[in-house]
Amino acid sequence: GIQVEQSPPDLILQEGANSTLRCNFSDSVNNLQWFHQNPWGQLINLFYIPSGTKQNGRLSATTVATERYSLLYISSSQTTDSGVYFCAVEPRQGGSEKLVFGKGTKLTVNP
Amino acid sequence: KAGVTQTPRYLIKTRGQQVTLSCSPISGHRSVSWYQQTPGQGLQFLFEYFSETQRNKGNFPGRFSGRQFSNSRSEMNVSTLELGDSALYLCASSSWGTSGLLSNEQFFGPGTRLTVL
Repeated sequence: GIQVEQSPPDLILQEGANSTLRCNFSDSVNNLQWFHQNPWGQLINLFYIPSGTKQNGRLSATTVATERYSLLYISSSQTTDSGVYFCAVEPRQGGSEKLVFGKGTKLTVNP
Repeated sequence: KAGVTQTPRYLIKTRGQQVTLSCSPISGHRSVSWYQQTPGQGLQFLFEYFSETQRNKGNFPGRFSGRQFSNSRSEMNVSTLELGDSALYLCASSSWGTSGLLSNEQFFGPGTRLTVL
């Protein structure tokens, strides 16, 4: 089945710093989503971005479907940005999985 | 519009018991999916339901089952619980298949944290 790899696995920043999280996937996808998992476990939707670029405040994301990767940019990070960021894809062909998740990037923003 | 709701939020069971978890999708959403999250395996797809029919099923044993009702609410059941079933169970809904709306964006509920002793 499709493989989804996220990097880096862990990231520690000082408040105010910028960061880039990467998601590589091994096959064509119909859809790609970025989530932030809060401390209580809920997955918060950040972007639904099968291709192109989107921005939402300090966050932006770019997916280059032809090269099979997506990037999540966080600018001027805040302590509330801490948590785990997941990339998830819907495979285009074969398989039976609705969404395949990467293992996540754990972000810690220190004051 | 209310989000995806899941009940109960926390559950403690013992090995061998069975458990039923419930999920109510966003109003108007007819597609419901279930996922299991564990520290070791991460987030894994369990199954998807649309119009009371299972569309997809992940690689889980038959002890894991689900169903969807005519109002799109869904339940999942785990029989003969094992210690390894301790996990966060997440439900998601999307508007996929709804007339005029073909978005497959998944929206997740807060999850049910199951502990098996």
